[in-house]
Amino acid sequence: RKEVEQDPGPFNVPEGATVAFNCTYSNSASQSFFWYRQDCRKEPKLLMSVYSSGNEDGRFTAQLNRASQYISLLIRDSKLSDSATYLCVVFPNTGNQFYFGTGTSLTVIP
Amino acid sequence: GAVVSQHPSRVICKSGTSVKIECRSLDFQATTMFWYRQFPKQSLMLMATSNEGSKATYEQGVEKDKFLINHASLTLSTLTVTSAHPEDSSFYICSANREKLFFGSGTQLSVL
Repeated sequence: RKEVEQDPGPFNVPEGATVAFNCTYSNSASQSFFWYRQDCRKEPKLLMSVYSSGNEDGRFTAQLNRASQYISLLIRDSKLSDSATYLCVVFPNTGNQFYFGTGTSLTVIP
Repeated sequence: GAVVSQHPSRVICKSGTSVKIECRSLDFQATTMFWYRQFPKQSLMLMATSNEGSKATYEQGVEKDKFLINHASLTLSTLTVTSAHPEDSSFYICSANREKLFFGSGTQLSVL
């Protein structure tokens, strides 16, 4: 079983739509969770950390469900510039390695 | 500003040559750095974990003699693709952990 599983999509949504991505993780002891955004042929960039209580940054909301071992990212009022691949990243807090989902491709259509 | 610097951003080379990619942590010491490879429209694949002052830890299926990693200082890790072949053409990215994972800007390697 993979450490982190993520629906690869693609998600094609119209401008202004709300879209949500989920990501499940296998290690129940994992402590740190992140969402990264990666544009084509660029490096991933941190979008937001995911806190236990959930957190919001403008149009983006991240949530953590420890009981079901998943994290989510909600994007409201989608913009064309939101088109990218979104990666969930989990750090188990043991060892050094971060675990990545495969990424979810989002295309926002005019 | 950038937390991790990677150089060069693009390399085009002939088959059989060796290519060195540098990854530097800026303003912090990184005892561990990570090297990834990404093929078009695929996810990041961890190749190896670079450990300062000791041997790198390679993921299963990654040839350590093909992909030489040197982490001689707390701010610099290098990946050398030895005797590169067209199938080694890919996007190579390094990263370092500073509470969160920060990535270099990546190196697009094209082997002719």
